[in-house]
Amino acid sequence: DTGVSQDPRHKITKRGQNVTFRCDPISEHNRLYWYRQTLGQGPEFLTYFQNEAQLEKSRLLSDRFSAERPKGSFSTLEIQRTEQGDSAMYLCASSGKSAGELFFGEGSRLTVL
Amino acid sequence: GENVEQHPSTLSVQEGDSAVIKCTYSDSASNYFPWYKQELGKRPQLIIDIRSNVGEKKDQRIAVTLNKTAKHFSLHITETQPEDSAVYFCAASNVDFGNEKLTFGTGTRLTIIP
Repeated sequence: DTGVSQDPRHKITKRGQNVTFRCDPISEHNRLYWYRQTLGQGPEFLTYFQNEAQLEKSRLLSDRFSAERPKGSFSTLEIQRTEQGDSAMYLCASSGKSAGELFFGEGSRLTVL
Repeated sequence: GENVEQHPSTLSVQEGDSAVIKCTYSDSASNYFPWYKQELGKRPQLIIDIRSNVGEKKDQRIAVTLNKTAKHFSLHITETQPEDSAVYFCAASNVDFGNEKLTFGTGTRLTIIP
């Protein structure tokens, strides 16, 4: 499968714990995005990378959230001190040469108890 | 920032009939308008997109129209089939910045009645 892959697909954690999600984009894509989707809503932009540089962060991304893309390939999204309101599907997407189509992964569903 | 509104939130049509979903956007600088289909538990997948230099685009049973003056765009699905049942999201962005920071609508759950 040469699409965007995310891991884990599901994560259940207790409030206050830290969680980390990983995204492997399509190999030749230099732009990588994180979106959050809650039930019944469209995806909301969180942050994006051009190669290893994090170029923009949404105001939705509180200081408990951090994302990295150290070598311009895979990316991680860490949530510290999780809260129940963090429960959502975290979608990763990537894009290539010309701005346009986003290719999404299957998402990592987070449930905070 | 950009705000995208989408209607209706749910839509049921008889198999073979047409379905129309409408979106409005607020930022006149937006110039790229994709539509994504998301089946239950699956990833959003692009089904069609349109850029602001054209008013209409068609791909088999799917078409999208764009009215820049009114800042609205619509998805039209003709001859609907059961496999068209899914949630559809419209989105908008300005790709002149070289990125895909999309603002999505809230989605339309389309149900095709056999």
